[in-house]
Amino acid sequence: KAGVTQTPRYLIKTRGQQVTLSCSPISGHRSVSWYQQTPGQGLQFLFEYFSETQRNKGNFPGRFSGRQFSNSRSEMNVSTLELGDSALYLCASSLGSSSAGYTFGSGTRLTVV
Amino acid sequence: DQQVKQNSPSLSVQEGRISILNCDYTNSMFDYFLWYKKYPAEGPTFLISISSIKDKNEDGRFTVFLNKSAKHLSLHIVPSQPGDSAVYFCAASVYQGGSEKLVFGKGTKLTVNP
Repeated sequence: KAGVTQTPRYLIKTRGQQVTLSCSPISGHRSVSWYQQTPGQGLQFLFEYFSETQRNKGNFPGRFSGRQFSNSRSEMNVSTLELGDSALYLCASSLGSSSAGYTFGSGTRLTVV
Repeated sequence: DQQVKQNSPSLSVQEGRISILNCDYTNSMFDYFLWYKKYPAEGPTFLISISSIKDKNEDGRFTVFLNKSAKHLSLHIVPSQPGDSAVYFCAASVYQGGSEKLVFGKGTKLTVNP
């Protein structure tokens, strides 16, 4: 079966711009979580959506937002980009019942210049 | 406040020997622990997990040990193979805000030398 698909794979943006990243989960998976990976901080939890509702949110500023559609696809948006937002953004999907069922996508590498 | 710590950023071992990756945590509410493996330019892939009510779980060459009193877990890889070279993330699961959330360590880069 198809895995978790994240688009685009790479992105370069300028400070102050905004960006939207997309994640298509495994068919049948209703939970989508987003993580930010940076060399110094590892993977940090951004938020989790289940059936179009945000169930959990990490400690990120309001510039980071997300949403989930009825087909479980999810988008995350970052507004007013800062240099420190440069990172690998990972999406993970699951059935929603167990963390062991998380499947990660390959990520979107965002570079802010 | 880092709740899951992997204090060794890197580890180098010889092929055929044992690799031991360590992880410490601070939150007693964690109920499940997982190890993920990550290659460059790919997302993390699930490797092995252990429930907080157990102290050992084995899957082929991979064994995870949990010491709850010390709030410590470790991943043993025996024997190590060059294909095991990757970044390994320790993660802990906690039920919060109505759903499960994974808290990750910063990762340990394992290099297995032929």
